[in-house]
Amino acid sequence: GENVEQHPSTLSVQEGDSAVIKCTYSDSASNYFPWYKQELGKRPQLIIDIRSNVGEKKDQRIAVTLNKTAKHFSLHITETQPEDSAVYFCAASIGGQNFVFGPGTRLSVLP
Amino acid sequence: KAGVTQTPRYLIKTRGQQVTLSCSPISGHRSVSWYQQTPGQGLQFLFEYFSETQRNKGNFPGRFSGRQFSNSRSEMNVSTLELGDSALYLCASSSALPGGEQYFGPGTRLTVT
Repeated sequence: GENVEQHPSTLSVQEGDSAVIKCTYSDSASNYFPWYKQELGKRPQLIIDIRSNVGEKKDQRIAVTLNKTAKHFSLHITETQPEDSAVYFCAASIGGQNFVFGPGTRLSVLP
Repeated sequence: KAGVTQTPRYLIKTRGQQVTLSCSPISGHRSVSWYQQTPGQGLQFLFEYFSETQRNKGNFPGRFSGRQFSNSRSEMNVSTLELGDSALYLCASSSALPGGEQYFGPGTRLTVT
């Protein structure tokens, strides 16, 4: 079955710097890759996603890139702010089913 | 549109008891998935229901079961509770279209003593 790895497990950056989180997946049939942000005590919130027919997608300070050949995708956050501090999860899915999540990255943005 | 809702939000049970959790998806969403979230294991997929049928299942013992009703609301049942079942149980709904976005409910925090 699908396996999703995520690195790093923790990440600390200075406010205003960029943060990058990387995920790899094993099943080449996976074609939908969402990213979720989970703040302490809250539900995971979908922040951006990418489908396998696209190499990059951007939404304001957040971008996701996908390399299907290497089977990895990354989340990029620019100009980080304290409110970006949270746990971020990547996931891989085939046709919007069977979501497999990475173990999460705890991002801390230091003022 | 109202978001995904889950009841109850908090639950305390004793080992050996059983528990039923409920999830109401976003209006129009026909797929409901359940996840167990623990600090050490992250988000683990339990099962997915679509049109009242279990479509996918994760690697959990048979004590974990679920069902979905004709209005897409779903319930999850855990029988013979164990201490290790203490976790946040999240449900998520999607339209089930290929590549359809999945949205999470607030979760039910289950504590087994």
